[in-house]
Formats: sequence, structure tokens, C-alpha cells
Amino acid sequence: QVQLVQSGAEVKKPGASVKVSCKASGYTFTSYGISWVRQAPGQGLEWMGWISAYNGNTNYAQKLQGRVTMTTDTSTSTAYMELRSLRSDDTAVYYCARDNGYSSSLADYWGQGTLVTVSS
Amino acid sequence: DVVMTQSPLSLPVTLGQPASISCRSSQSLVYSDGNTYLNWFQQRPGQSPRRLIYKVSNRDSGVPDRFSGSGSGTDFTLKISRVEAEDVGVYYCMQGTHWVRAFGQGTKLEIK
Repeated sequence: QVQLVQSGAEVKKPGASVKVSCKASGYTFTSYGISWVRQAPGQGLEWMGWISAYNGNTNYAQKLQGRVTMTTDTSTSTAYMELRSLRSDDTAVYYCARDNGYSSSLADYWGQGTLVTVSS
Repeated sequence: DVVMTQSPLSLPVTLGQPASISCRSSQSLVYSDGNTYLNWFQQRPGQSPRRLIYKVSNRDSGVPDRFSGSGSGTDFTLKISRVEAEDVGVYYCMQGTHWVRAFGQGTKLEIK
């Protein structure tokens, strides 16, 4: 069965970086993309960007351009999301979701979420 | 970028009664392949989002048939025919037609 398993909670200081992982299993990793979505405490869902596991193409939300980098490691079927220059308003639960774009597999499976807390 | 607007934002419903959530997009969600990539998600308290409906009206596996999606172009609706206690949570629409994905603000369903 399809599973996306994310790395554990992180606590970071303002200005630091965080890298969250999302390990996929149960499907052919390179046949799909991965979207990253975050949710600040008590708030709604915010799409951060997408990466193709096939060729590494990316598409980032404009507000995060320059601070976010999404990558994949096809040898381990793992996607990564790195966010730099962290601020307090980056405190959120970060989710990965399988996303094959224009298909029925758009955000059909989600990881369990990774809480990132930014605090001095 | 496309903006998704949901209403209402809060939805108190009596058990066994129907519920309806509206989602409107600022641009048409019809893609060049003729499909409309509008999904609905349910997020129960403390859980990850779960997809309920894809491409406007297709129910995901395991989703009860009391959930249905409809609409076209820029105007979409999620309906629950008879609300059950397990339906409590926040519901989001999301568009995947345009290159930058976007979610609605969420509609919090609670039992009256």
C-alpha cells in the first residue's frame, strides 16, 4: 500500500534552516511528483511547491521563492524540503503529498506531518 | 494566481441532516485536456488531510457515498447527505488545474 513517512519534529532558532524528509513506499517513486503543504497552528492549508520525482523539475509558491528548495533521492525513494532563514511564522506542520499533476493522483496520499517549531 | 473561496467557514449541522459547502475559484478550473482538477479534502482533528473527491465528482476509495461533489467552471459544491458524528472536521477544496496549487480557507463542520 502507498505510504509516505515523514521525519520527526524539529525545533529551530530564527535564521536557521530545516530539512524535512518524506520516504515513499508502495508505488514507483519516479512515476509521481510530491507536493509540500504546510499548516500553521489553527490555520488552513498552504501549498508550498511541487517536485517531479522523475526529472527533479520544481514549482515553488512565489512567497517562498529563494528560501525553499525541494529535492528527491530516487535511490531511497525520498523527497526533501529545505526551508532557510526560518522565522517564527514558519512554525507549522509540514506535509508531503503524492501529486501526479493532471491525473487522478493529485494529492491522493499524504504523510503524517512534521511539526517544525521556530523559536528563540 | 487562482484564489479559492469557500463558504460558509463554519457549518453547525444536526446529526442526520444534510450539509453543503461551496467553493468558488477566481478563474475557470477547466484544463486544456477537458478535465477539471478540483479536489475536496477532509481533515479530522489531529490528523493529516484525507482526499474525499477528485476531479469535481469522483469519490475516493473508502469514502462513504453520503459524500458527493458537483459543479463546473468556477463554482463547486461538496454535499453530505446525512451528517454523522465522524464527519466533524475541516473541509478544504483545492485546485490543481493551474500551475500554482491553491486551497480554500477551509470550512469547519461541527455537530449542533
